[in-house]
Amino acid sequence: EAAVTQSPRNKVAVTGGKVTLSCNQTNNHNNMYWYRQDTGHGLRLIHYSYGAGSTEKGDIPDGYKASRPSQENFSLILELATPSQTSVYFCASGDWGGSQNTLYFGAGTRLSVL
Amino acid sequence: TQTVSQSDAHVTVFEGDSVELRCNYSYGGSIYLSWYIQHHGRGLQFLLKYYSGNPVVQGVNGFEAEFSKSDSSFHLRKASVHWSDSAVYFCAVNNNRIFFGDGTQLVVKP
Repeated sequence: EAAVTQSPRNKVAVTGGKVTLSCNQTNNHNNMYWYRQDTGHGLRLIHYSYGAGSTEKGDIPDGYKASRPSQENFSLILELATPSQTSVYFCASGDWGGSQNTLYFGAGTRLSVL
Repeated sequence: TQTVSQSDAHVTVFEGDSVELRCNYSYGGSIYLSWYIQHHGRGLQFLLKYYSGNPVVQGVNGFEAEFSKSDSSFHLRKASVHWSDSAVYFCAVNNNRIFFGDGTQLVVKP
């Protein structure tokens, strides 16, 4: 069974602080993604990666950085957290082609920025 | 530009009823179409997908979806819903990038 693990599951941060959300996958997938989910906006893509060492901007990258140090790990970094970044964040992994084209999601991280 | 439209934000049915959740998309090339389910407080889980062949695809827990090229649609159906089917359902279009609709919240009343 494909597995994507996010940590922490819940986080309270202060405005202006640095926040790092971590994601680990045991699927050996090349592609990994970070989404945020807000009421009324569905899922919005922040950053994604095609493999170790690569990061790409998604649809709403401003205020976020990403890091993919290895095949298994993909982090989302908020250098200066703001209340507008209060949301639920989901990490996913997946590969394309053939019988793939399925994303596997983590359980989510609920972030509150006060 | 790819777009995915789920016209119903909320659908309420009774246990045992049939249900259809609608999805329309716009994209000119070859794509995969998928449905995902999200139970409260959890991540999305894959239900089913279509790329080619039989336009009716079967998924888990009795769900199926039908692709229509002429209507640009990929509606999800279930013949008899259970209370545990209450969740948010997302339609998605994938072609290297994946685009999600805004989701349909399904409430199944006992």
